[in-house]
Amino acid sequence: GNSVTQMEGPVTLSEEAFLTINCTYTATGYPSLFWYVQYPGEGLQLLLKATKADDKGSNKGFEATYRKETTSFHLEKGSVQVSDSAVYFCALSQGFNFGNEKLTFGTGTRLTIIP
Amino acid sequence: NAGVTQTPKFQVLKTGQSMTLQCAQDMNHNSMYWYRQDPGMGLRLIYYSASEGTTDKGEVPNGYNVSRLNKREFSLRLESAAPSQTSVYFCASSNTGLAAQVQYFGPGTRLTVL
Repeated sequence: GNSVTQMEGPVTLSEEAFLTINCTYTATGYPSLFWYVQYPGEGLQLLLKATKADDKGSNKGFEATYRKETTSFHLEKGSVQVSDSAVYFCALSQGFNFGNEKLTFGTGTRLTIIP
Repeated sequence: NAGVTQTPKFQVLKTGQSMTLQCAQDMNHNSMYWYRQDPGMGLRLIYYSASEGTTDKGEVPNGYNVSRLNKREFSLRLESAAPSQTSVYFCASSNTGLAAQVQYFGPGTRLTVL
């Protein structure tokens, strides 16, 4: 079946540091890939997505590139801020029925940014 | 637009009690989902509904039932709560007919079963 493996957390960085959170996946065919973010006390919200190989998703300074050859979708940001402190989830979607895109999630990576 | 709303936000139950978690969305989405979030395990799908009148089991359906009351509302029922059901529950919804559907999540219900 499908699976997503994320970098173990928690991750603590200083403000303005470079961030990488690793994500690899196992799936048949060509899944769509997502990064969701969960701020304290809130539900998940989409951060970025990519639907095919070599696509780059980007939002709020975060980027991730869909690498089919390495089955990876690593999240990066060049200069993190305190407001980026949250839990980040990598996910894939491979709905087998039209219009039903079930998500498979990684375990999440808690990121804390220190001023 | 309120998006996806969930009630209650917090609940404490005793083992064997029953309760229903409510979820509603105002985005006219066809698909709705219930997940549970446990430490170190990410989110796991309990049940989903691809359209009004249909429901299907997800990865961890045991001990739960669902009802898709109408297009807006999708409820999750625990008939006889167990401590293993202590978790944070999230409802989500998504559109259909497009590739790579984005799911929109509610704020969650934190449930403790004693």
